[in-house]
Amino acid sequence: DIQMTQSPASLSASLGETVTIECRASEDIYSNLAWYQQKPGNSPQLLIYDANSLADGVPSRFSGSGSGTQYSLKINSLQSEDVASYFCQQYNNYPMYTFGAGTKLELK
Amino acid sequence: VQLVESGGGLVQPGKSLKLSCSASGFTFSSYGMHWIRQAPGKGLDWVAYISSSSGTVYADAVKGRFTISRDNAKNTLYLQLNSLKSEDTAIYYCGGGYPVMDAWGQGASVTVSS
Repeated sequence: DIQMTQSPASLSASLGETVTIECRASEDIYSNLAWYQQKPGNSPQLLIYDANSLADGVPSRFSGSGSGTQYSLKINSLQSEDVASYFCQQYNNYPMYTFGAGTKLELK
Repeated sequence: VQLVESGGGLVQPGKSLKLSCSASGFTFSSYGMHWIRQAPGKGLDWVAYISSSSGTVYADAVKGRFTISRDNAKNTLYLQLNSLKSEDTAIYYCGGGYPVMDAWGQGASVTVSS
């Protein structure tokens, strides 16, 4: 099974700041990596797929990068509406998804 | 696209429950579908998958206890949960999309407790 290790578990940042969340796979997942945003009380929403492609309607301040086993999600110019939990997901082993443990992003 | 789960509730350990996911706004019969669960305060765990032709795959934690199925005539996805354990307590989401889940339901809450 492919394991996904996500860091940090929690993050506190100020409005306008740039934040980065990391995700490491236990083996090469060939950019088959997605990021989801989950706001409190809501279901997850797709942000990025194929490691760096923005899903429809996602603001351009979100970006993804990486390859092989190392991936990251960057949020530029943090907005209040970005307060949420973020999860990475591998789909190289489709249909058996594996998710990272999540990062809870709060405002400082 | 809209996915609406139903059937959640409080159930005793060892008992059964059946979740439904009603789909609309897309050609349901053409897509594989998933169930994903989230224990209280925890992350996301993939539970099961059913292909458009009804082939199925399960996570080891639920294999032999849960059954995923679909009724394309009713545009509905199901998850039969048997021999429930306390660790099955979670919100259960249905979802679809290939290869990533770009459509999620609002979730159905399942609590396993005596």
